[in-house]
Amino acid sequence: GAVVSQHPSRVICKSGTSVKIECRSLDFQATTMFWYRQFPKQSLMLMATSNEGSKATYEQGVEKDKFLINHASLTLSTLTVTSAHPEDSSFYICSARDLRWLTDTQYFGPGTRLTVL
Amino acid sequence: KNEVEQSPQNLTAQEGEFITINCSYSVGISALHWLQQHPGGGIVSLFMLSSGKKKHGRLIATINIQEKHSSLHITASHPRDSAVYICAVSNTGNQFYFGTGTSLTVIP
Repeated sequence: GAVVSQHPSRVICKSGTSVKIECRSLDFQATTMFWYRQFPKQSLMLMATSNEGSKATYEQGVEKDKFLINHASLTLSTLTVTSAHPEDSSFYICSARDLRWLTDTQYFGPGTRLTVL
Repeated sequence: KNEVEQSPQNLTAQEGEFITINCSYSVGISALHWLQQHPGGGIVSLFMLSSGKKKHGRLIATINIQEKHSSLHITASHPRDSAVYICAVSNTGNQFYFGTGTSLTVIP
């Protein structure tokens, strides 16, 4: 099956710093990638839809200046948490949309656990 | 009310037991997904189905479109099956709605 990777898998940073998380589709091109956030013991929450070559679409309540998304190539999307604060500590998951073989599904990355001290 | 409801929320089983996790949804869908999230947080897509039944190893997923209901079955459960199982549905716009998950613990 298709594989989506995320890097890093874990990151600990100091309050006020910025953190970049990468999401890569390893064996297919993804014009659309999605970024999710998961709080402890809660379900996934869609943050934004990342489209290659255009601006990301953010869900209501998600600060676009806080969570910068760049989808510069068909296999890479990045999420940058700017000026991170402890309340940004969470599990961030990306997924990539696969339109090959006349199917339309998403493959999830393994997630990145962010801890802001 | 959530668009996707799962039951039970928590489930503890003895090794070898047959396990069923249920999912009901209230929106129109193009597909239903069963996801597995391990304690470390990584998510694995188990099944994507839009009708009928799929089987992969000891896992079976069924869906009843008319009743808007799906079940995930695990036969001969094993401690390594311990994880959170998430039901999600997607529509034709590829928007996902997630259930809150079922936390499964299989005791040796």
